[in-house]
Amino acid sequence: GENVEQHPSTLSVQEGDSAVIKCTYSDSASNYFPWYKQELGKRPQLIIDIRSNVGEKKDQRIAVTLNKTAKHFSLHITETQPEDSAVYFCAASSGNKLVFGAGTILRVKS
Amino acid sequence: SAVISQKPSRDICQRGTSLTIQCQVDSQVTMMFWYRQQPGQSLTLIATANQGSEATYESGFVIDKFPISRPNLTFSTLTVSNMSPEDSSIYLCSVVAHFNTGELFFGEGSRLTVL
Repeated sequence: GENVEQHPSTLSVQEGDSAVIKCTYSDSASNYFPWYKQELGKRPQLIIDIRSNVGEKKDQRIAVTLNKTAKHFSLHITETQPEDSAVYFCAASSGNKLVFGAGTILRVKS
Repeated sequence: SAVISQKPSRDICQRGTSLTIQCQVDSQVTMMFWYRQQPGQSLTLIATANQGSEATYESGFVIDKFPISRPNLTFSTLTVSNMSPEDSSIYLCSVVAHFNTGELFFGEGSRLTVL
């Protein structure tokens, strides 16, 4: 089955700097790659996703890139703000079953 | 989007007892899943709740421990049976509201503490 690895496990950045989180997946049949943000005590919420027919997608300060050949995808957050502090999970799926990475704790220091 | 209500939101349970978590969605959905999130950990899929048939369990999860019901397209229950402290987790109901997008929406979760 699918296996998703996520790095780093924790990431501290200064407010205004960029943050990058990377994931790799094992199943070449996976075709959907969402990113979820989970604030303390809250449910995970989708922030951006990308499909295998697209190499890059951007939404304001957030972007995701996908390299199908290498089977890795990355989340880029620019101009980080304190409210970006949370746990971020990548995931991969073929069909509708999502497999999640281990998560990255992002701390934005003001 | 989909509005997902879970009950209970939290509970403290005694070892050896069972607890049933309910998940109600505000619209009919085809795909419904149950995830577990252990303290400080990622989300692990327990099973896919299938309407009108037995749930499909992931490796490491069995029906005797986590029986699931799905009587219709808006409702499901997950029972955690014969609980031990290792079952202390957040249990999350999730749905794919729009088949075309595949976006997964989560309920707020049910935080279980087993003493």
